Amino acid sequence: GAGVSQSPSNKVTEKGKDVELRCDPISGHTALYWYRQSLGQGLEFLIYFQGNSAPDKSGLPSDRFSAERTGGSVSTLTIQRTQQEDSAVYLCASSPRFRSDTQYFGPGTRLTVL
Amino acid sequence: DAKTTQPPSMDCAEGRAANLPCNHSTISGNEYVYWYRQIHSQGPQYIIHGLKNNETNEMASLIITEDRKSSTLILPHATLRDTAVYYCIVRASSNTGKLIFGQGTTLQVKP
Repeated sequence: GAGVSQSPSNKVTEKGKDVELRCDPISGHTALYWYRQSLGQGLEFLIYFQGNSAPDKSGLPSDRFSAERTGGSVSTLTIQRTQQEDSAVYLCASSPRFRSDTQYFGPGTRLTVL
Repeated sequence: DAKTTQPPSMDCAEGRAANLPCNHSTISGNEYVYWYRQIHSQGPQYIIHGLKNNETNEMASLIITEDRKSSTLILPHATLRDTAVYYCIVRASSNTGKLIFGQGTTLQVKP
């Protein structure tokens, strides 16, 4: 079946611009996660959604970052007034339940802020 | 949150077993140990997870010590395609689904 998809695969933007990154989770998965991975670094948790519960935003690095999930499916991560330190690969994952189930990752969006 | 410690890098000969260790001495009784791997330029891939008992699937085996303070991921017959960064992760808490990734072990499988 189809896995997690993300778009765009690459995004180059200028400092100060806003960007939107999209994630399509696996159909039927109730939990959705956003992570980012800076060059040579490990994965950093950003935010996750579980069903209709309030999202866990504890990993968002600043108020320039926000995310929403419409209709319990597609999610958009928005970064406002991008900075060079925002350059990273942004990864989305989904799982059928949180806690003990596994997370299925998408291929990521590589964001470069010039 | 329970933390994990892994060696930064390991080498393995193609066709041989790769044994990747992980220490998680502060793990709580109801926390699972997960293993993921990330092949270059791809998203992480789930490998296996366990609580107390040893586990095996088509990809690997997971051996967890009786005191649960450490575990070993075993790739029985490593291939060049198994070259990747391997992450040992403990579930952050019982109330959240997020995974805390450390630096992992870079496994280089050599011909």
